[in-house]
Order: sequence, then structure tokens, then C-alpha cells
Amino acid sequence: KQEVTQIPAALSVPEGENLVLNCSFTDSAIYNLQWFRQDPGKGLTSLLLIQSSQREQTSGRLNASLDKSSGRSTLYIAASQPGDSATYLCAVAQTGANNLFFGTGTRLTVIP
Amino acid sequence: GAGVSQSPSNKVTEKGKDVELRCDPISGHTALYWYRQSLGQGLEFLIYFQGNSAPDKSGLPSDRFSAERTGGSVSTLTIQRTQQEDSAVYLCASSLVGHLSSYNEQFFGPGTRLTVL
Repeated sequence: KQEVTQIPAALSVPEGENLVLNCSFTDSAIYNLQWFRQDPGKGLTSLLLIQSSQREQTSGRLNASLDKSSGRSTLYIAASQPGDSATYLCAVAQTGANNLFFGTGTRLTVIP
Repeated sequence: GAGVSQSPSNKVTEKGKDVELRCDPISGHTALYWYRQSLGQGLEFLIYFQGNSAPDKSGLPSDRFSAERTGGSVSTLTIQRTQQEDSAVYLCASSLVGHLSSYNEQFFGPGTRLTVL
């Protein structure tokens, strides 16, 4: 069974810092990997989707990379802002399964 | 355009009662998913609908849980004889294409917070 792990579980940084969130998965037979953010009491907002054949995707201050062979993805956030404070979740779409497998998330706090 | 919508946003019920949760996917999306997020736990897959195919019910935790999708659009998740351990946020997602695609991107609704007293 696919296992998805996110490190660290929580992260607190001062405003303006660049930061990296990590995601690892055990089964490299995936279709894609998706990064989401979740604000308290809210649903999930899709940030980036990386197809299995891709190495990275960028959207604004966000850059996500994928190393499928080693089972790792990173989400890089440049010049962090207080509005970036949220829980960030990674999820993989595994070959042969109909659902996404989620990590437990990294709770990010950006201090003004 | 409109995103995935869910209703109600909050539901408080008594143990043993039945509840129905509703999901309206994004128009034109063929695939629909239900997940559950319990306090302190990750998201747990419940059920998947794709077009007119038989749903994948492999994630449903017990036979008290059922779901249907009418006309390939709106879906209802029903929990019978609710238990306290059913308390969670129930999230619905939809995607344009089915899951067996690298282009499949899931879009989530705001969720229904269910509390069983």
C-alpha cells in the first residue's frame, strides 16, 4: 500500500524567508503528484500538479519538483508571506488505484 | 466558474440517526470522489464514481455507508445509524477525466463537518 510522508509536521518561519516542504512516497508507480493547501475549517485548494513524466511545475512563488525514482517531491515557497500560513498536503495518484493517497500535511506559520 | 459545492456545511446529529451529505461537482466533470478527514488523521478515501461505470466502494468503512450519483452529476453520501466515530469532515472532489490519467487533477469542495453526539 502506498505510504505518503510529509516532513516536517509543522514549520514556523519569519516573513520573507524561502522555505521547502518535503513529501516522500513508497511506491513510485504513480500517474501524478498534487500539492494542496488547506486553511483551517476549509476544503483543499489545488496548488500544483506534476505529471509522472515531469520534473517540476511552477506557479508564481511556488515551485514543486518530483523525483519519481527516489519517491520524493518538494514544494518550494519563495519570499513567504503571512497569507501563506496554512496546512500543505501532498497526494499521489497511484497506478491501479482510483483514489489519491495523502500525506498528513505540514502546518506552516509565517510570522509577520 | 463555480467550484465543487457541498451541503450542509455543518451537521450535528444524534447517535443512531441517519444523515445525508450532498455534493455538486464542477459541471462537466466525469469523476467524483468522497474522502473523510478525521481529527488528527489524514484524508481517507471512501468512494469513487466515474461516468456510468460501477463505483469503486473499496474505501467505505462499513455497510452503514453508501453513496449514489444521479444522472452523472450530484452525489449523495448516506450514513445510517451514525456512530460517534463517524464524526469527521467529509470532502467531495471532482475531476474532468477519470483517475487513470496523468492529467487528472482533483478539485475539492469546502466539506461537510459532521458531529455525532
